Amino acid sequence: EVQLLESGGGLIQPGRSLRLSCAASGFTFNNYVMNWVRQTPGKGLEWVSAISENGDTTYYNDSVKGRFTISRDNSKNTVYLQMSSLRAEDTATYFCATRGFDYWGQGALVIVSS
Amino acid sequence: DIQLTQSPSFLSASIGDTVTIACRASQDISTILAWYQQKPGKAPKLLIYAASTLRDGVPSRFSGGGSGTEFTLTINSLQPEDFATYYCQQLDSFPFTFGPGATVDVK
Repeated sequence: EVQLLESGGGLIQPGRSLRLSCAASGFTFNNYVMNWVRQTPGKGLEWVSAISENGDTTYYNDSVKGRFTISRDNSKNTVYLQMSSLRAEDTATYFCATRGFDYWGQGALVIVSS
Repeated sequence: DIQLTQSPSFLSASIGDTVTIACRASQDISTILAWYQQKPGKAPKLLIYAASTLRDGVPSRFSGGGSGTEFTLTINSLQPEDFATYYCQQLDSFPFTFGPGATVDVK
C-alpha cells in the first residue's frame, strides 16, 4: 500500500525557516518524481515544487522560487521542502504527492504568524 | 502560467442526478488534464487523468471529456459519497495549475 506521511509543520514566525519531510513507502521511491502542493482557503490548490527521480532536476512555482528548496534522500525514501524567509501568505496545508498526483499525503499545516 | 476556470463554482444536486462540471484552460493543453475529488480535511483524490482516462478503482459513473481548452467532468447517477469539491489541473507545462474548484452539495 502506498503511503506518504508529511511531518514538520507548525507555527512559525515570519522570516524564519521550516523544513517539511515526506516519508514514502509502498512503492519504489527512486523511480518517481515527487511533488509538493499547498492549499489555502483563499487561493485553493497551488503546485509548489517538483523533483526528479534522482534529485538532479527541480522545478518551482515563481511564488516560492529562491525561498523554498526541494530535495530528496532516496536511501531514506523521503522528500523534503526547506522553506525559508517565510511569509504570512505561505500559510497553508502542504501535501506531498507522487509523479502523477495519484497518491497524496495527509498534509502538514504550516502557519506563518507572529 | 496557464489559468484554469471552472463552472459552476457551486452546484446543488440530488441523489441520482447527473451533474457536469466544466473546466476551461487559458491556452491549448491538448488532453493533459486531471480531475480530483476532495472532501473536507482530506487530500485530493485523483479521479481522471489525460482528460478522459478513469483511474483504476474509480466508479464508472465518473467520466471526463474534452481537449484543447474545454473539458468536462460528468457524474452520472450521483451517489451520497459524491458530494465534494472537484478540481481540474493542467499538467501540460510548469507551473502545474489547478482550477478554483466546484462544490457539489445536497439540494
